[in-house]
Formats: sequence, C-alpha cells, structure tokens
Amino acid sequence: AQKITQTQPGMFVQEKEAVTLDCTYDTSDQSYGLFWYKQPSSGEMIFLIYQGSYDEQNATEGRYSLNFQKARKSANLVISASQLGDSAMYFCAMRLNYGGSQGNLIFGKGTKLSVKP
Amino acid sequence: DAGVTQSPTHLIKTRGQQVTLRCSPKSGHDTVSWYQQALGQGPQFIFQYYEEEERQRGNFPDRFSGHQFPNYSSELNVNALLLGDSALYLCASSLATGANYGYTFGSGTRLTVV
Repeated sequence: AQKITQTQPGMFVQEKEAVTLDCTYDTSDQSYGLFWYKQPSSGEMIFLIYQGSYDEQNATEGRYSLNFQKARKSANLVISASQLGDSAMYFCAMRLNYGGSQGNLIFGKGTKLSVKP
Repeated sequence: DAGVTQSPTHLIKTRGQQVTLRCSPKSGHDTVSWYQQALGQGPQFIFQYYEEEERQRGNFPDRFSGHQFPNYSSELNVNALLLGDSALYLCASSLATGANYGYTFGSGTRLTVV
C-alpha cells in the first residue's frame, strides 16, 4: 500500500540554523513524485519543493532542499537559515501517476516546526 | 492572477444536514481535487474532477458527491452530516497536462458539525 510516514510530530530549531524534517515513503510504483508543503495557521497548503522519482539530482528551491535517497525510500526536507516565518506545519506528500496525467496526493501526518528567536 | 478561491471560509452545521462547499480554480487550471483534513492529520483525497466528470475517488462514502461546471469551478456536497465530518476541506486545482508540481491549494473551508 502507498504510504507516507513522518515520524517527527514536532521540531524546534533556533533562528538562522538549519533543520531537517524526515519523510519516508512506501510504493511499489517506479514512477512517482514527492512534494513538500507548508501549512501555516491560515490553512492554505503552500508548495515548497518537488522531486520526481527519475530525477538524479536532489531538488533545491532557495532555502529548501530535498535529500532524496531512493534506495532507502526517504525524501527529507532541509531548511537552511531558518526564519521565524518558517514556523508552521510541514507535510510530505506523494503523487502516483494516473493514466499519464496527475494523480492524487497521499499526505503524511505532518511535522510542526517551531523556530525560536 | 487569482489563486484558488473557496467559499465559505467557515460554517457550522447540525448532524443530519446537508452542506455544499464551493471552489474556483486558479486561472488556466482545468482539474479540481478535494481533500478532507481532520484536526491534527494530513489531508485525505476525496475525489478529482476533470472535464465535468469524476476521474478519481478516494475512500469516502457516497454521502460525499461533487460537481464540476463548464467554467471549471467545482462543488463538494456532503449529505447526512456526521460529527466526524468536521474538518478543513481543501480544494486544489491543476492543469491536466501541466507540470508535475502544478497543484495550487485554496485556504479551505472549515466545517464544524454539531
């Protein structure tokens, strides 16, 4: 069964330091995509970063990078130089292909990140 | 360029009632997906609409139904509301032939069933 596991319910990080949020996934499909979203208290899911299963290089988007280890089925999010505005819930998600077009997203339970001044 | 718009933002309903939630997709998007997010959980996929038809469906009972209109906007209907239906309902739009990461989410409708 397809599943996303986030084992850290909550994390604390000092402002300006880096933090890693863990994510492992389970699928027997060869083609899939992995996402990280940020959800502030307002509720909106904000896209952070994407990694395709066939991408050989780890994805990076500004202060966000994704540490993709395919053999271990892990897709950890690294946030560098944390800012107070990074405090939010973070969700890892997986998309399986569906007829060649976009399939639905499977989400983990999330990690609540708190950035301390 | 407007993103995804959901209405209403909050509502309170009584058990057994019916509710309709609305979603306007991002300009240029043609696919709408609905997710239910219970408190403290990640979102769970309800269904996806494309070309006015339900294309995929998650593990939700028939009490949950939807519709997509010619202008790509969508409605989520829930009949015979249960206390357990209390959640944040998120709408996400995308382009069927678009980039792999082309999902845009709205801010959600927070439904409370009493």
